[in-house]
Amino acid sequence: GNSVTQMEGPVTLSEEAFLTINCTYTATGYPSLFWYVQYPGEGLQLLLKATKADDKGSNKGFEATYRKETTSFHLEKGSVQVSDSAVYFCALRVFGNEKLTFGTGTRLTIIP
Amino acid sequence: EAGVAQSPRYKIIEKRQSVAFWCNPISGHATLYWYQQILGQGPKLLIQFQNNGVVDDSQLPKDRFSAERLKGVDSTLKIQPAKLEDSAVYLCASSPIGAADNSPLHFGNGTRLTVT
Repeated sequence: GNSVTQMEGPVTLSEEAFLTINCTYTATGYPSLFWYVQYPGEGLQLLLKATKADDKGSNKGFEATYRKETTSFHLEKGSVQVSDSAVYFCALRVFGNEKLTFGTGTRLTIIP
Repeated sequence: EAGVAQSPRYKIIEKRQSVAFWCNPISGHATLYWYQQILGQGPKLLIQFQNNGVVDDSQLPKDRFSAERLKGVDSTLKIQPAKLEDSAVYLCASSPIGAADNSPLHFGNGTRLTVT
């Protein structure tokens, strides 16, 4: 079956620190990979995506590279801000099936 | 464009009572999803509709959960009777028909259900 494993949280960093949130996946088909973010009191929003091996998704200073050889899609940001505090979800979608399979989420807190 | 609308935002009920949640997807989006997000876990798909037909309800506890999308637009998810373990956030999402597999789902803000 399809599954996503995420780095367990919570993660607490100081402002301007470097961020990595690990994500690995298992898929029966050829997946597209996504990072969704959930800010306090809001719904899930797409942060970035990658649809094939070696693609790099990027948005708001965040990046993630689709690594087929390691089945990974780690989220990185060079300098985090307080406003990045949220819960981050890694997810996959396999070709031919529209549903998303999510990881358990990683809560990120950035302190000034 | 208006986003996915859900109501109510919060609901507290006692176990064995019934509850219903409503979702209005983005206009023109033929595919509608209901997800259950238990605290500390990722969202889990309960049911997926395409127009008014069910595409996937394999993880819907059909002894107590039901969902409908009669006119292929808005949808209702019902729980009857509720159990303590149904406490969760219920998320509705939508996507356009014929969307490529890399297109995003658009989520509502969710309904937080507490069963006491």
